Amino acid sequence: AQSVTQPDIHITVSEGASLELRCNYSYGATPYLFWYVQSPGQGLQLLLKYFSGDTLVQGIKGFEAEFKRSQSSFNLRKPSVHWSDAAEYFCAVGLTGTASKLTFGTGTRLQVTL
Amino acid sequence: KAGVTQTPRYLIKTRGQQVTLSCSPISGHRSVSWYQQTPGQGLQFLFEYFSETQRNKGNFPGRFSGRQFSNSRSEMNVSTLELGDSALYLCASSLVQQGWANTEAFFGQGTRLTVV
Repeated sequence: AQSVTQPDIHITVSEGASLELRCNYSYGATPYLFWYVQSPGQGLQLLLKYFSGDTLVQGIKGFEAEFKRSQSSFNLRKPSVHWSDAAEYFCAVGLTGTASKLTFGTGTRLQVTL
Repeated sequence: KAGVTQTPRYLIKTRGQQVTLSCSPISGHRSVSWYQQTPGQGLQFLFEYFSETQRNKGNFPGRFSGRQFSNSRSEMNVSTLELGDSALYLCASSLVQQGWANTEAFFGQGTRLTVV
Protein backbone atom coordinates (compact mmCIF):
# COMPACT_ATOMS: atom_id res chain seq x y z
CA ALA A 1 0.00 0.00 0.00
CA GLN A 2 1.15 3.52 -0.70
CA SER A 3 2.28 5.79 2.10
CA VAL A 4 3.62 9.28 2.55
CA THR A 5 5.94 10.34 5.34
CA GLN A 6 6.48 13.89 6.46
CA PRO A 7 9.06 13.45 9.22
CA ASP A 8 8.78 16.97 10.61
CA ILE A 9 5.58 17.62 12.53
CA HIS A 10 6.45 21.20 13.38
CA ILE A 11 9.07 23.59 11.97
CA THR A 12 9.88 27.13 13.06
CA VAL A 13 11.82 29.48 10.82
CA SER A 14 12.59 33.18 10.92
CA GLU A 15 11.07 35.44 8.32
CA GLY A 16 13.48 35.77 5.41
CA ALA A 17 15.16 32.43 6.09
CA SER A 18 15.05 29.55 3.65
CA LEU A 19 12.71 26.62 4.11
CA GLU A 20 12.76 22.95 3.21
CA LEU A 21 9.93 20.59 4.09
CA ARG A 22 10.62 16.92 3.63
CA CYS A 23 8.39 14.32 2.02
CA ASN A 24 9.12 10.67 1.35
CA TYR A 25 6.72 8.29 -0.31
CA SER A 26 6.26 4.61 -0.89
CA TYR A 27 4.36 3.75 -4.04
CA GLY A 28 4.12 0.82 -6.39
CA ALA A 29 4.30 2.89 -9.53
CA THR A 30 5.51 6.31 -10.53
CA PRO A 31 3.15 8.51 -8.60
CA TYR A 32 1.67 11.88 -9.17
CA LEU A 33 2.99 14.13 -6.41
CA PHE A 34 1.45 17.18 -4.84
CA TRP A 35 2.04 19.76 -2.15
CA TYR A 36 -0.95 21.45 -0.55
CA VAL A 37 -1.16 24.21 2.05
CA GLN A 38 -3.92 24.67 4.60
CA SER A 39 -4.51 27.74 6.73
CA PRO A 40 -6.46 27.30 9.98
CA GLY A 41 -10.11 26.47 9.34
CA GLN A 42 -9.64 26.52 5.59
CA GLY A 43 -9.52 24.01 2.78
CA LEU A 44 -6.47 22.87 0.89
CA GLN A 45 -4.74 24.99 -1.71
CA LEU A 46 -2.52 23.35 -4.31
CA LEU A 47 1.03 24.75 -4.26
CA LEU A 48 2.52 22.59 -7.00
CA LYS A 49 2.39 19.19 -8.62
CA TYR A 50 4.69 16.80 -10.41
CA PHE A 51 3.55 14.43 -13.11
CA SER A 52 6.54 13.86 -15.31
CA GLY A 53 9.38 15.64 -17.03
CA ASP A 54 11.59 18.19 -15.32
CA THR A 55 12.12 17.02 -11.76
CA LEU A 56 12.27 20.57 -10.39
CA VAL A 57 8.81 22.08 -10.41
CA GLN A 58 7.80 25.62 -9.67
CA GLY A 59 4.62 26.47 -7.84
CA ILE A 60 2.71 29.41 -6.53
CA LYS A 61 3.87 31.81 -3.82
CA GLY A 62 7.53 31.25 -4.69
CA PHE A 63 7.60 27.56 -3.73
CA GLU A 64 9.43 24.86 -5.63
CA ALA A 65 9.87 21.12 -5.16
CA GLU A 66 12.31 18.56 -6.46
CA PHE A 67 11.40 14.99 -7.30
CA LYS A 68 14.19 12.50 -6.59
CA ARG A 69 13.22 9.04 -7.72
CA SER A 70 16.28 7.36 -6.18
CA GLN A 71 15.38 8.74 -2.75
CA SER A 72 11.58 8.51 -3.17
CA SER A 73 11.43 12.12 -2.07
CA PHE A 74 9.59 15.24 -3.09
CA ASN A 75 10.86 18.02 -0.83
CA LEU A 76 9.33 21.48 -0.84
CA ARG A 77 11.56 24.55 -0.72
CA LYS A 78 11.30 28.30 -0.54
CA PRO A 79 14.34 30.60 -0.57
CA SER A 80 12.86 33.30 1.67
CA VAL A 81 9.90 32.70 3.94
CA HIS A 82 7.26 35.36 4.61
CA TRP A 83 5.16 35.58 7.78
CA SER A 84 2.07 34.79 5.68
CA ASP A 85 3.53 31.36 4.86
CA ALA A 86 2.69 30.15 8.37
CA ALA A 87 0.26 27.26 7.79
CA GLU A 88 0.15 23.49 7.57
CA TYR A 89 1.70 21.82 4.57
CA PHE A 90 0.68 18.45 3.20
CA CYS A 91 2.47 16.23 0.74
CA ALA A 92 0.26 13.83 -1.23
CA VAL A 93 0.59 11.09 -3.82
CA GLY A 94 -1.96 9.76 -6.25
CA LEU A 95 -2.48 7.67 -9.34
CA THR A 96 -3.98 10.48 -11.37
CA GLY A 97 -4.01 14.22 -11.53
CA THR A 98 -7.38 14.42 -9.84
CA ALA A 99 -8.09 14.48 -6.12
CA SER A 100 -9.26 10.88 -6.28
CA LYS A 101 -7.64 8.44 -3.86
CA LEU A 102 -4.87 10.76 -2.76
CA THR A 103 -2.72 9.52 0.08
CA PHE A 104 -1.67 12.40 2.30
CA GLY A 105 1.17 12.76 4.73
CA THR A 106 0.43 13.80 8.29
CA GLY A 107 1.41 17.37 7.58
CA THR A 108 4.08 19.80 8.74
CA ARG A 109 3.03 22.86 10.67
CA LEU A 110 5.17 25.86 9.79
CA GLN A 111 5.60 28.68 12.25
CA VAL A 112 7.32 31.88 11.12
CA THR A 113 8.95 34.17 13.66
CA LEU A 114 9.45 37.84 12.95
CA LYS B 1 -14.76 31.91 -11.70
CA ALA B 2 -16.37 30.61 -8.54
CA GLY B 3 -14.46 28.04 -6.54
CA VAL B 4 -15.69 24.86 -4.93
CA THR B 5 -18.56 25.65 -2.58
CA GLN B 6 -19.40 23.51 0.40
CA THR B 7 -22.51 23.99 2.53
CA PRO B 8 -23.06 24.32 5.34
CA ARG B 9 -19.72 25.50 6.74
CA TYR B 10 -20.53 24.38 10.26
CA LEU B 11 -22.90 21.78 11.60
CA ILE B 12 -23.69 20.34 15.02
CA LYS B 13 -25.55 17.05 15.21
CA THR B 14 -26.49 14.61 17.90
CA ARG B 15 -25.20 11.06 18.02
CA GLY B 16 -27.51 8.73 16.12
CA GLN B 17 -28.79 11.38 13.73
CA GLN B 18 -27.94 11.56 10.07
CA VAL B 19 -26.44 14.45 8.12
CA THR B 20 -26.15 15.53 4.50
CA LEU B 21 -23.34 17.74 3.24
CA SER B 22 -23.32 19.47 -0.11
CA CYS B 23 -20.56 20.30 -2.57
CA SER B 24 -20.89 22.41 -5.69
CA PRO B 25 -17.87 21.95 -7.96
CA ILE B 26 -16.28 24.49 -10.22
CA SER B 27 -18.31 24.92 -13.38
CA GLY B 28 -17.33 22.26 -15.93
CA HIS B 29 -15.69 19.94 -13.40
CA ARG B 30 -17.24 16.49 -13.41
CA SER B 31 -15.04 14.73 -10.86
CA VAL B 32 -15.84 15.32 -7.19
CA SER B 33 -13.88 13.67 -4.38
CA TRP B 34 -14.62 13.72 -0.65
CA TYR B 35 -12.17 13.60 2.25
CA GLN B 36 -12.47 13.39 6.01
CA GLN B 37 -9.89 15.29 8.06
CA THR B 38 -9.42 14.57 11.77
CA PRO B 39 -6.52 15.32 14.14
CA GLY B 40 -5.99 11.62 14.79
CA GLN B 41 -6.34 10.10 11.32
CA GLY B 42 -5.40 13.05 9.12
CA LEU B 43 -6.83 13.32 5.63
CA GLN B 44 -8.59 10.20 4.44
CA PHE B 45 -10.26 9.59 1.09
CA LEU B 46 -13.97 8.79 1.24
CA PHE B 47 -15.10 8.46 -2.39
CA GLU B 48 -15.02 9.99 -5.84
CA TYR B 49 -17.91 10.61 -8.18
CA PHE B 50 -17.59 11.18 -11.90
CA SER B 51 -20.54 11.76 -14.20
CA GLU B 52 -23.00 10.65 -11.49
CA THR B 53 -21.18 7.35 -10.86
CA GLN B 54 -19.05 6.42 -7.90
CA ARG B 55 -15.70 5.70 -9.45
CA ASN B 56 -13.51 5.12 -6.38
CA LYS B 57 -14.15 4.41 -2.74
CA GLY B 58 -12.05 4.57 0.39
CA ASN B 59 -12.18 2.38 3.48
CA PHE B 60 -15.14 3.80 5.32
CA PRO B 61 -18.20 1.95 6.66
CA GLY B 62 -21.45 1.87 4.74
CA ARG B 63 -22.84 4.64 6.95
CA PHE B 64 -20.94 6.99 4.66
CA SER B 65 -22.55 7.38 1.27
CA GLY B 66 -22.69 9.89 -1.50
CA ARG B 67 -24.23 10.77 -4.79
CA GLN B 68 -23.72 13.12 -7.68
CA PHE B 69 -26.35 14.90 -9.68
CA SER B 70 -26.48 15.64 -13.39
CA ASN B 71 -25.13 19.16 -12.77
CA SER B 72 -22.11 17.58 -11.01
CA ARG B 73 -23.14 18.82 -7.58
CA SER B 74 -22.46 16.16 -5.00
CA GLU B 75 -23.82 15.28 -1.60
CA MET B 76 -22.46 13.00 1.06
CA ASN B 77 -24.57 11.46 3.76
CA VAL B 78 -23.57 10.01 7.09
CA SER B 79 -26.19 7.97 8.90
CA THR B 80 -26.29 6.98 12.54
CA LEU B 81 -23.69 9.53 13.53
CA GLU B 82 -21.00 8.60 16.02
CA LEU B 83 -18.83 10.90 18.10
CA GLY B 84 -15.85 9.83 15.99
CA ASP B 85 -17.47 11.27 12.87
CA SER B 86 -16.66 14.76 14.12
CA ALA B 87 -14.32 16.10 11.47
CA LEU B 88 -13.70 18.58 8.71
CA TYR B 89 -15.19 17.17 5.52
CA LEU B 90 -13.55 18.44 2.36
CA CYS B 91 -14.59 18.05 -1.20
CA ALA B 92 -12.49 18.65 -4.27
CA SER B 93 -13.44 19.01 -7.90
CA SER B 94 -11.33 18.27 -10.94
CA LEU B 95 -11.54 19.01 -14.62
CA VAL B 96 -10.51 15.69 -16.06
CA GLN B 97 -8.71 16.06 -19.36
CA GLN B 98 -6.70 13.78 -21.54
CA GLY B 99 -3.16 14.10 -20.32
CA TRP B 100 -2.98 14.51 -16.58
CA ALA B 101 -0.63 17.45 -16.83
CA ASN B 102 -3.61 19.71 -17.40
CA THR B 103 -5.72 18.26 -14.64
CA GLU B 104 -5.93 19.99 -11.28
CA ALA B 105 -7.96 19.44 -8.17
CA PHE B 106 -9.45 22.33 -6.25
CA PHE B 107 -10.63 21.93 -2.68
CA GLY B 108 -13.49 23.67 -0.99
CA GLN B 109 -13.24 25.23 2.46
CA GLY B 110 -14.91 22.26 4.06
CA THR B 111 -17.81 21.55 6.39
CA ARG B 112 -16.94 21.30 10.07
CA LEU B 113 -19.19 18.61 11.56
CA THR B 114 -19.41 18.26 15.32
CA VAL B 115 -21.27 15.29 16.77
CA VAL B 116 -22.37 15.66 20.39
